[in-house]
Amino acid sequence: NAGVTQTPKFRVLKTGQSMTLLCAQDMNHEYMYWYRQDPGMGLRLIHYSVGEGTTAKGEVPDGYNVSRLKKQNFLLGLESAAPSQTSVYFCASARTSVSSSYEQYFGPGTRLTVT
Amino acid sequence: AQSVTQPDIHITVSEGASLELRCNYSYGATPYLFWYVQSPGQGLQLLLKYFSGDTLVQGIKGFEAEFKRSQSSFNLRKPSVHWSDAAEYFCAVAASGTYKYIFGTGTRLKVLA
Repeated sequence: NAGVTQTPKFRVLKTGQSMTLLCAQDMNHEYMYWYRQDPGMGLRLIHYSVGEGTTAKGEVPDGYNVSRLKKQNFLLGLESAAPSQTSVYFCASARTSVSSSYEQYFGPGTRLTVT
Repeated sequence: AQSVTQPDIHITVSEGASLELRCNYSYGATPYLFWYVQSPGQGLQLLLKYFSGDTLVQGIKGFEAEFKRSQSSFNLRKPSVHWSDAAEYFCAVAASGTYKYIFGTGTRLKVLA
């Protein structure tokens, strides 16, 4: 099992450019999440999905869009990148059962710089 | 609203010394509590979790944590720190039925040789 993978690992964008971050998981998990990590702020939830075809807003959704067309993939899009979106982005997934105890599994992260 | 507080931004300990990282949470019911570790440039790895039952939980790498409902705390401990424990540690809380975490801001641990 690869677990949770993220592509790309690094990216530099200019202000106004767009891009899509891909998250893939091979654990058949129902829930998937996108977080951003900024110094001194921990991880903040951007969007999440409770299943294929569904998405919901998290704590900091503005400027981002997401899609989950397939159960194993969760895409995060930036339509018009801004310097404030410079961050490290983490994807996570979780299996929804009592025995899973709500454990989330994290990908290795994508470091995005917007100039 | 749920919240998690990690009061210590940085902690420095000597190798072999004991360690305690503090975590306080705010949540009305019994929460699900987690400690994750993040090594530089890496993702987050689960150290341990409290779901129910025994309030002292054991995790990987020799870590343990104790859930104290009266103090709304879930502090992480290790009796003897190794240089490889240098990392950032995050406490998180999940509300029952939501499958969403609220993370603390993290504590960065430095270990002196």
